Amino acid sequence: DGGITQSPKYLFRKEGQNVTLSCEQNLNHDAMYWYRQDPGQGLRLIYYSQIVNDFQKGDIAEGYSVSREKKESFPLTVTSAQKNPTAFYLCASSIQTGVNTGELFFGEGSRLTVL
Amino acid sequence: QKEVEQDPGPLSVPEGAIVSLNCTYSNSAFQYFMWYRQYSRKGPELLMYTYSSGNKEDGRFTAQVDKSSKYISLFIRDSQPSDSATYLCAMSAGGGGGFKTIFGAGTRLFVKA
Repeated sequence: DGGITQSPKYLFRKEGQNVTLSCEQNLNHDAMYWYRQDPGQGLRLIYYSQIVNDFQKGDIAEGYSVSREKKESFPLTVTSAQKNPTAFYLCASSIQTGVNTGELFFGEGSRLTVL
Repeated sequence: QKEVEQDPGPLSVPEGAIVSLNCTYSNSAFQYFMWYRQYSRKGPELLMYTYSSGNKEDGRFTAQVDKSSKYISLFIRDSQPSDSATYLCAMSAGGGGGFKTIFGAGTRLFVKA
């Protein structure tokens, strides 16, 4: 089945540590995204990539980094510079060609807790 | 002012009730409107998608868009406990990619058996 796989589902980190969240898709979508979800705040865009080897900052990129070396993969690193990293992280993808409706397909999410 | 406003709830209804979920927006360029359903600790899944104004029905779900009022609604008929989830509205002007999709904060719905 086509879809987006995020791992790990739950992750605990000590303050000062970097952690990397994995996101893999087999939908053959060009564009991929990382969102952060906090209670009552909806989804906030961290980074997005419209094509391999290219990515752009979203609304809240500080303290995060990404790479896009393969079309299927878009890992997110939460660095020690992120002041409040405890959150639910969602990876998404979308078709980039043709009429772009803005429809996004999401993974199951990764819950990061900083101890 | 946020581009998309959505009441976070929670909204609690008895089983079988008709549920009305709403969002307002300020950007008149939005023309693609979506509703996502998100179960606890899961990723959002697309429930309904509508282009421009009008109604769209899918089973027990009806999406309604009123561009003149900048108001969208999702109606759930004969609500079931399995409908208990957070419902996110989302909208886009289109053409620029998914990074331009704007989400509401989500409304938590509880359907009591």
